[in-house]
Amino acid sequence: GAGVSQSPRYKVAKRGQDVALRCDPISGHVSLFWYQQALGQGPEFLTYFQNEAQLDKSGLPSDRFFAERPEGSVSTLKIQRTQQEDSAVYLCASSRRDFAGTGFLHEQYFGPGTRLTVT
Amino acid sequence: DAKTTQPPSMDCAEGRAANLPCNHSTISGNEYVYWYRQIHSQGPQYIIHGLKNNETNEMASLIITEDRKSSTLILPHATLRDTAVYYCIARSQGNLIFGKGTKLSVKP
Repeated sequence: GAGVSQSPRYKVAKRGQDVALRCDPISGHVSLFWYQQALGQGPEFLTYFQNEAQLDKSGLPSDRFFAERPEGSVSTLKIQRTQQEDSAVYLCASSRRDFAGTGFLHEQYFGPGTRLTVT
Repeated sequence: DAKTTQPPSMDCAEGRAANLPCNHSTISGNEYVYWYRQIHSQGPQYIIHGLKNNETNEMASLIITEDRKSSTLILPHATLRDTAVYYCIARSQGNLIFGKGTKLSVKP
């Protein structure tokens, strides 16, 4: 079946440009996560949606980062006025609903990522 | 979520079992142990998870010590395609907290 897809796979932006990164989650998955992965590091959490509601954005590094999921399916991560330190791979993951109350948490399925290079 | 500690790198001969250790001495009772791996230029891939009991699926086995302070991921017959970074995560909430993982190199 279709997995999580992301586009574009590669993006080169000049410093100061705005970029938009798209994530298409697995159909029917309620939860959607964005992560940022710097070279040689593990992925770091950015933000989390449950359907269209953004329940956690504690990982967004600055107010230049903005994410949305208006219809509870496709999500877009937007970075305004890109800086060189924004260069990284941006990963999207989706999962079925997290039943955090019972301690049973569904596995996350990751897309291939978008490699952003800011020059 | 509890911090996990893994060796930065390991080698394994093709066809042999790969045993990847993870320490999570501060794990709490409601935290599951999750393992993901990331093959070069791909997104992380879920492998297995467990709470107290040992678990096995088509990819791997997970052995958790009785005190839950450490675990071992076992790939029973490693292949070259298993070369990847393996992440051990103690998780009690939605987002995953990755460390640097263990880079496993499977050699012919």
